[in-house]
Order: sequence, then C-alpha cells, then structure tokens
Amino acid sequence: DVKVTQSSRYLVKRTGEKVFLECVQDMDHENMFWYRQDPGLGLRLIYFSYDVKMKEKGDIPEGYSVSREKKERFSLILESASTNQTSMYLCASSLAHYSNQPQHFGDGTRLSIL
Amino acid sequence: GENVEQHPSTLSVQEGDSAVIKCTYSDSASNYFPWYKQELGKGPQLIIDIRSNVGEKKDQRIAVTLNKTAKHFSLHITETQPEDSAVYFCAPKTSYDKVIFGPGTSLSVIP
Repeated sequence: DVKVTQSSRYLVKRTGEKVFLECVQDMDHENMFWYRQDPGLGLRLIYFSYDVKMKEKGDIPEGYSVSREKKERFSLILESASTNQTSMYLCASSLAHYSNQPQHFGDGTRLSIL
Repeated sequence: GENVEQHPSTLSVQEGDSAVIKCTYSDSASNYFPWYKQELGKGPQLIIDIRSNVGEKKDQRIAVTLNKTAKHFSLHITETQPEDSAVYFCAPKTSYDKVIFGPGTSLSVIP
C-alpha cells in the first residue's frame, strides 16, 4: 500500500514565522500535491510537482512556496505565516502525469497561526 | 473554467438503506472518475473509480455509474452501515490532466 506521511498532525506557529510542512511518499510516485482544506471551500490546490526540482502553481499559490529536491519528498513553505493560513493541509501523491491513477493522501497537518 | 458539483451536500439515511450521491462536471473530455471517502481526522481515500470506456463498476456494497453524455457519475452505497458515515468527494480528471475535487457530500448513517 502507498503510504504518504506528513511530518506533523498539529502545528502552532506565530504570525510572521517561516513554516515548513514536510511530506514523504514511499511508492516512487512522480506526482505530488499540496492542498488546503477549509470548511465550505473543499480542497484547494496550492502547488504540485510532476518531477524532482519541478513545481507548478495550483489555484491558490499566493503566500506559499514548495521544494522538491528528492522524488519522495515534497515540502510546503509558508514564507511569512499569516492568520488566514490557518487551515488543514493535505499532501497527496499519484503515479505519473496522464496516468489516470488515483491520488493517495496523507492524514493532514492542522496548522494554527496565532 | 471547469465546474464540479455534488448533490446532495448532506445526506442522512437509516442503517441498511441505500445512499446515492451524484457528481456533475463540465469538461466533456474528462476521462477518469474517482470517488474518495474522508473520515474524521484522516485524509481522503479512494473507494472506487471508473474510466471513460466503462459505464458501471461494482465493488461489494459500492458501485459507480457513469453517464458521459450527460456529464455526470454517481456513487451508490447499498446496505449502509454506521462506518459509511463520512464525507465523500468526487474528483473527475480533465482532458489536460487536472483533477477537480467536488465540494463534498456529508453522509450520516443512523443506527
């Protein structure tokens, strides 16, 4: 079974801090994704990557950046955290571009910015 | 842009009854149609999927039906159990490989 592991289940940070959310997958998937999930807004795509050192903006990239130095690891970075970035963050991976395969999700990081 | 809708947004059924959730999408060239289940405190997990060359697929109590002409696909759960209570998302994949998640349907199965 594919396992997607997010480094923290809960995280509390202060406004203005630089925040790193880490995600690791163990199935050699090419694609990795970061979403945020908010009540009433569903899942919104922040950034995604189809390959090492490659990244593409999703629907809501403002205030975020990502890093993919190794195939199995995809990091989401909040450059200067703000209270409106308090949310549930979900990482996912899938096999490859245009493969018509499902996404596999981690259990999420609930981030609170105070 | 692409649009994905789910109906109903909330659904409450008695244990043992059937539940049906419908997903409509706008991209007529979409070719992959999964359903995900999200339990409290967990990430979404795939429960069933269907590809565009198939009209129906069944896995025990769960089935998915696809109507490409009308641009909708539906999740059917028979003999519902309390552990089926969760939020369900459809996530059709567009012709240019983008996944659009629906807004979710909250299913409650009453014992």
